[in-house]
Amino acid sequence: NAGVMQNPRHLVRRRGQEARLRCSPMKGHSHVYWYRQLPEEGLKFMVYLQKENIIDESGMPKERFSAEFPKEGPSILRIQQVVRGDSAAYFCASSPLWGKNTEAFFGQGTRLTVV
Amino acid sequence: AQRVTQPEKLLSVFKGAPVELKCNYSYSGSPELFWYVQYSRQRLQLLLRHISRESIKGFTADLNKGETSFHLKKPFAQEEDSAMYYCALSGGSNYKLTFGKGTLLTVNP
Repeated sequence: NAGVMQNPRHLVRRRGQEARLRCSPMKGHSHVYWYRQLPEEGLKFMVYLQKENIIDESGMPKERFSAEFPKEGPSILRIQQVVRGDSAAYFCASSPLWGKNTEAFFGQGTRLTVV
Repeated sequence: AQRVTQPEKLLSVFKGAPVELKCNYSYSGSPELFWYVQYSRQRLQLLLRHISRESIKGFTADLNKGETSFHLKKPFAQEEDSAMYYCALSGGSNYKLTFGKGTLLTVNP
């Protein structure tokens, strides 16, 4: 089991472009979580998705950000019209159905730099 | 609101010395507390969680509700313990983790 796979590992975008970050969960996991880590900060929850459903997007910025987890394929975090403040590390985690002793497994993250 | 505070950004000790990484939290209910570790060039991984009361790689952490703390301790640090350590909390929506800013531990030979 290769673990949670995120790509690309590094992404450079110019202001105004779109960024698409991909996350393939661990085999057998149907729940995905996205976190953002701004420089010098801890990871902050963005969104929780199951296959074809957004369960909790309370941490997503209201504009320009969207996430999906289709029936087939990876979860995608999409940032439209990126700005310098979007530069951060974006981490994805996956788990089976969340319960008392569930562990979320993290990917290695995508480092987005907006120039 | 829930908050996790790790007061030390950097911590440096010598091999064999005791180490304590501090974590304080703020949460009105009954939280679940975690320690995550990120070794150089590796992914974030769960080290331990308070409900399991385990000792992992010699590390222990006790939840002190009176002091709202969950400090991570190891009696004899090893060089391979050098890593970034994050304390995290989950509350009512227990899938949603709140992380501290992390402490970079360096164990010198």
